[in-house]
Amino acid sequence: GAVVSQHPSWVICKSGTSVKIECRSLDFQATTMFWYRQFPKQSLMLMATSNEGSKATYEQGVEKDKFLINHASLTLSTLTVTSAHPEDSSFYICKQRAGEYGYTFGSGTRLTVV
Amino acid sequence: GEDVEQSLFLSVREGDSSVINCTYTDSSSTYLYWYKQEPGAGLQLLTYIFSNMDMKQDQRLTVLLNKKDKHLSLRIADTQTGDSAIYFCAESRSSASKIIFGSGTRLSIRP
Repeated sequence: GAVVSQHPSWVICKSGTSVKIECRSLDFQATTMFWYRQFPKQSLMLMATSNEGSKATYEQGVEKDKFLINHASLTLSTLTVTSAHPEDSSFYICKQRAGEYGYTFGSGTRLTVV
Repeated sequence: GEDVEQSLFLSVREGDSSVINCTYTDSSSTYLYWYKQEPGAGLQLLTYIFSNMDMKQDQRLTVLLNKKDKHLSLRIADTQTGDSAIYFCAESRSSASKIIFGSGTRLSIRP
């Protein structure tokens, strides 16, 4: 089945620096990638939807200048957290469609900003 | 490797019970989750169960865990049209570990 490789799995960075998270489709061409952030109590908030070759669609309340999403090819979507702050520390995970129905998730990235 | 599997579709009549099944492979799973995704929304955590439990009930929701068979199920009693959604099964080894998701089961309700 479809596989999404997400990395890094975890990253620690200093406040003010930027971190790039990659999600790569290994055996499926993903025209759409969904990016989520995990909040306390484990619910995942949809941050944005990226479409290959076009601008990402951000959910209300998500700063598009802070969370830069690039989907330059059918196999790669990236999320860059710019000028990271401790409050950005969270678990970020991507998801893509796997065929006409069903979804495949990346393995997630735990970001800690110190 | 870690894998979580669930069927893609389930159709039930309004008022009946829905049972969504899930199997997982990681014997070290400690937390098992059920998430609900409605159109255009994020993944809402519905409920979760620890691996040392067999059952957990929360209003219309009942989670059953067969740890020996690595089988998890979610039962929704008196299914309503508002229950139409995609339900994701997931597992993790700890609250800080990565979460492994199934592909989602699309629950549709017929009159």
